[in-house]
Amino acid sequence: DTGVSQDPRHKITKRGQNVTFRCDPISEHNRLYWYRQTLGQGPEFLTYFQNEAQLEKSRLLSDRFSAERPKGSFSTLEIQRTEQGDSAMYLCASSLLGPNTEAFFGQGTRLTVV
Amino acid sequence: DQQVKQNSPSLSVQEGRISILNCDYTNSMFDYFLWYKKYPAEGPTFLISISSIKDKNEDGRFTVFLNKSAKHLSLHIVPSQPGDSAVYFCAADSGGGADGLTFGKGTHLIIQP
Repeated sequence: DTGVSQDPRHKITKRGQNVTFRCDPISEHNRLYWYRQTLGQGPEFLTYFQNEAQLEKSRLLSDRFSAERPKGSFSTLEIQRTEQGDSAMYLCASSLLGPNTEAFFGQGTRLTVV
Repeated sequence: DQQVKQNSPSLSVQEGRISILNCDYTNSMFDYFLWYKKYPAEGPTFLISISSIKDKNEDGRFTVFLNKSAKHLSLHIVPSQPGDSAVYFCAADSGGGADGLTFGKGTHLIIQP
C-alpha cells in the first residue's frame, strides 16, 4: 500500500495527558499537511511542511500543539496537556511540489479526550 | 467566516439519475478547486479538480463546472450509483499549496435504489 498512513487510528486519553500521532506520507511527496476535522465541519488546515521545513502554521495551532518532520519523510503531531476541545479527527495529507497538485489524505486518527 | 460554502447539508437522489452538488466561495484569490469524497471513519478521497483557467473538467461519471464570475462550482455525477453515497467536500486553494486547502462543511449525498 503506497498511500498515506496514520497511526494510531484511534486514541482515547485523559484530559491533561500528552498524545503523539504519526503520519507516513506517500514516499515521493515533498509536501505534508496536518488538518483537524470536527463533527459537521470540513477539515481545517493546521500546518504545512515542505520537506523537513515547517512553512505554515494556522492560528488554530495553539502552543500546546507541535509538529515535526525531522528527515523530510514521516511527521509527528504532538498535543500537550490535552483538553476536551481537542477531541477531533486529525488528518494528514501529502502532495507533490508545484501548483495545482491534489493532496492525498490518510485515514486519520480519531482522538477522544475524556 | 466561511470562505467555502456548501449550503446543502444533504441531498437525496434516485439511483441512475444525475446528482448535482453545489459550492460557493468568497475569496477571489482561490485559483484551484477540488472535490473530495468521504466515507465514515475514513479520510477524504480525491475525486476531481479544476483550475481557475478552465470552466469544465470531466473524468468518467464526474464533471466539475466552474463559474468564476459567480464564484460558484458544481459537481455532477451521472449516473448516480449506490456506492456514491458519501459526504462530498468542496475545497479551494489560493497559495499554490502552501496555505493548505479551505474546505466547505460538506454535503451528504444519499443515493436511493
